[in-house]
Amino acid sequence: AQSVTQPDIHITVSEGASLELRCNYSYGATPYLFWYVQSPGQGLQLLLKYFSGDTLVQGIKGFEAEFKRSQSSFNLRKPSVHWSDAAEYFCAVGASASGFQKLVFGTGTRLLVSP
Amino acid sequence: DGGITQSPKYLFRKEGQNVTLSCEQNLNHDAMYWYRQDPGQGLRLIYYSQIVNDFQKGDIAEGYSVSREKKESFPLTVTSAQKNPTAFYLCASSLGTSLSTDTQYFGPGTRLTVL
Repeated sequence: AQSVTQPDIHITVSEGASLELRCNYSYGATPYLFWYVQSPGQGLQLLLKYFSGDTLVQGIKGFEAEFKRSQSSFNLRKPSVHWSDAAEYFCAVGASASGFQKLVFGTGTRLLVSP
Repeated sequence: DGGITQSPKYLFRKEGQNVTLSCEQNLNHDAMYWYRQDPGQGLRLIYYSQIVNDFQKGDIAEGYSVSREKKESFPLTVTSAQKNPTAFYLCASSLGTSLSTDTQYFGPGTRLTVL
């Protein structure tokens, strides 16, 4: 079954520093991969997605992610973190079940931004 | 303003009572979803509906029920059969159910606490 692992529960980054959030997936074929962000007490917002083609995907708010098939990874990056980026980040993979495509989410990584 | 509305934001109920969570969207989306979020866990799919008057069980449907009588509305009932109902519930919608083309948009969520 398709699954996603986010190995880091919490990450603290200084404002202005670079960020990389890790995501590893388990899927036999070329996966559909997503990164969502959730501000405290809010719903999720899609940052970016990958289906095929260029393995470096640009998203909103200055985020990007790189698909690496050899490592089964889809890490999220940002060159310079802003205090407003403090939130929880979820990686998700698309999975098919009975003809329906659903999202399978990782457990999330909480990003803390220090001054 | 287009979007997804969930009400109430916070809900408290006594153990053994059924409770209904509201989800309304004015995005003219065909598909709607209910997810459950627990601390330290990713989102898990409870029910989904691809079109009005139709819905399907997701991964954790036991103890929950839904209806889809109107395109814009997808209420979730948490029944007394749900053994651990305290959680954050998120509603989402999308134009269709193709993950490659149809982004899921999320509501702000309802936090249910069963006392």
